[in-house]
Formats: sequence, C-alpha cells, structure tokens
Amino acid sequence: ELKVEQNPLFLSMQEGKNYTIYCNYSTTSDRLYWYRQDPGKSLESLFVLLSNGAVKQEGRLMASLDTKARLSTLHITAAVHDLSATYFCAVDKNGNKLVFGAGTILRVKS
Amino acid sequence: EAEVAQSPRYKITEKSQAVAFWCDPISGHATLYWYRQILGQGPELLVQFQDESVVDDSQLPKDRFSAERLKGVDSTLKIQPAELGDSAMYLCASSLARRETQYFGPGTRLLVL
Repeated sequence: ELKVEQNPLFLSMQEGKNYTIYCNYSTTSDRLYWYRQDPGKSLESLFVLLSNGAVKQEGRLMASLDTKARLSTLHITAAVHDLSATYFCAVDKNGNKLVFGAGTILRVKS
Repeated sequence: EAEVAQSPRYKITEKSQAVAFWCDPISGHATLYWYRQILGQGPELLVQFQDESVVDDSQLPKDRFSAERLKGVDSTLKIQPAELGDSAMYLCASSLARRETQYFGPGTRLLVL
C-alpha cells in the first residue's frame, strides 16, 4: 500500500526566511504533484514532477524529485505572508490515482 | 479560464437523509474524480471515471454511496442515508486524461447533524 508522509505538518516561519517541506513515499512512483489549498478553498496545482532529478520553480517556490530516495522537497525562499496556506504532495499510484499526504500548514508571520 | 463547477457549495442535512452533489468538469476532460477530504487531512479518492465508466471505486462505501456519469460529462455523487461521519468536504476534479494534472472544483462542504 502506498503511503505518503509529509513533514513538518505545521510550519510557522518569519517573513524573509527559507525553509523546506519534505514528502516521502513508500513505493515506486515516477510522478508527483504539489498542490496548495487556502482555508476553505479548493486545491490549486503548483507543480508536477515527472522524472528523477526533476526540478520546477515558480516564484519563491521550488520543487524537486528524487525517485530513488522516494523523496520530494518543496523549498520556500524568502517567505512572504501570501504563501500562507496548506501544501499537499500527491503521489501517482500505478497511473491510476493520486495518494495525498496529510498536508503541511504554513503560516508566514510578518 | 475553464474551471470545474460544483454545487451546492454547502449542505447541511440530518443523519439518515439523502444528499446529492453535482460536478461539471472542464470541457473536454475525459477523466473525473470524486474525493472526500476530512478536516485536517489530505483528499482521499472515492471514485474515478474515464468517460462514463468507473475505473476505480475501491474506496467508495457502496452500501450508502453511489456515483454516476451517465453521458461522460457531468457527474452526481449521492449519499443515502447520510451518517454523522460523512461530514467532510467533497471535491470533484477532472483531467484531460488519466495521469494528467487534476484540476479541482471549489468543493461541497457537507455537515451531517
């Protein structure tokens, strides 16, 4: 059974600081997604990572994938308040469905 | 920009009643998904359609939940009878094809009293 673990589950950071969210998964997969969810809202697609070593960047967020280590990271550079949200990673299971992590609640304090 | 539409946005019902949720995917998207998201957790897939066919309903509680996508476009998820534990956000998503990026609708927040 595919298990997806994120850590930390809660992250409080100061504006301007850098931090990394980790996503570990238990079985082989070649596709991983990162989504953002604002309180009471739906999920917004951020990145799709399709191969080992893939790196995607958008603004202050950068995601990477290491399929051998079964690890993806979401790095936040110089955090700003607008980045406050819950971030989910989701792993493609056998090309059939996504299995989501529990989410990381990010709060950026000014 | 095309979006996934869902209705209603909020639903309050009493246990043992029937509820139904509707989803209209992005035009041209062949694959449609229904997820349940319990507060504080990630979404969990309930059912996946490819056009009008169910391709995965392994996590759907079939004794009380049903889903259909009769013409391969919009879809309905029904719960009958609703139980207290069904209180959650129900999210619909669609993708152009299987393994493509899923785009989520705004969700229906269900409260069962």
